[in-house]
Amino acid sequence: ILNVEQSPQSLHVQEGDSTNFTCSFPSSNFYALHWYRWETAKSPEALFVMTLNGDEKKKGRISATLNTKEGYSYLYIKGSQPEDSATYLCAPNTNAGKSTFGDGTTLTVKP
Amino acid sequence: NAGVTQTPKFQVLKTGQSMTLQCAQDMNHNSMYWYRQDPGMGLRLIYYSASEGTTDKGEVPNGYNVSRLNKREFSLRLESAAPSQTSVYFCASSTWMGDSNQPQHFGDGTRLSIL
Repeated sequence: ILNVEQSPQSLHVQEGDSTNFTCSFPSSNFYALHWYRWETAKSPEALFVMTLNGDEKKKGRISATLNTKEGYSYLYIKGSQPEDSATYLCAPNTNAGKSTFGDGTTLTVKP
Repeated sequence: NAGVTQTPKFQVLKTGQSMTLQCAQDMNHNSMYWYRQDPGMGLRLIYYSASEGTTDKGEVPNGYNVSRLNKREFSLRLESAAPSQTSVYFCASSTWMGDSNQPQHFGDGTRLSIL
């Protein structure tokens, strides 16, 4: 079982603010890291999969970076909108192929 | 385009009762998973099935059993429900858990309350 930490636990920002949060994980036995977006009353949906040190992925206003040597990934949201309000989960994979989910960062964007 | 379907969506049980949560996927995925999600916590893996015919314990298997009925279906059974099993249960599937690049696809969850 991996020790996966996400910070902060929750975040409240104003519409238009840019924000970022962190996922920390043990750097050994790393194969891939997944980011999921989880809206209230819905199920988690995959955002990004990242595998290589230095990876950067982008989807619209959301981007992510990966540092496998030091064991962290950042998720950035540029110009937050109310529809970005959700819980963002990270899930690194070990060589056993199982994902260990962090507790998530819950983002609330106020209009 | 159903994806992962879980039934029921809600259930209330009394302590000691048994029940089975059903999960089916129509994406021809090999691997399936059961998670529970408690307030303030992330998703914790209960059991998983890497492929049809195999099942393995996850992080929190006590009090649960699973059956991989066929490639599509993976059920979770509570033999004697306890209040500590009050939670939201999610089923997920992926192409093949040995391929770490593949994300998991989740059902909508089953909200289970045990009195």
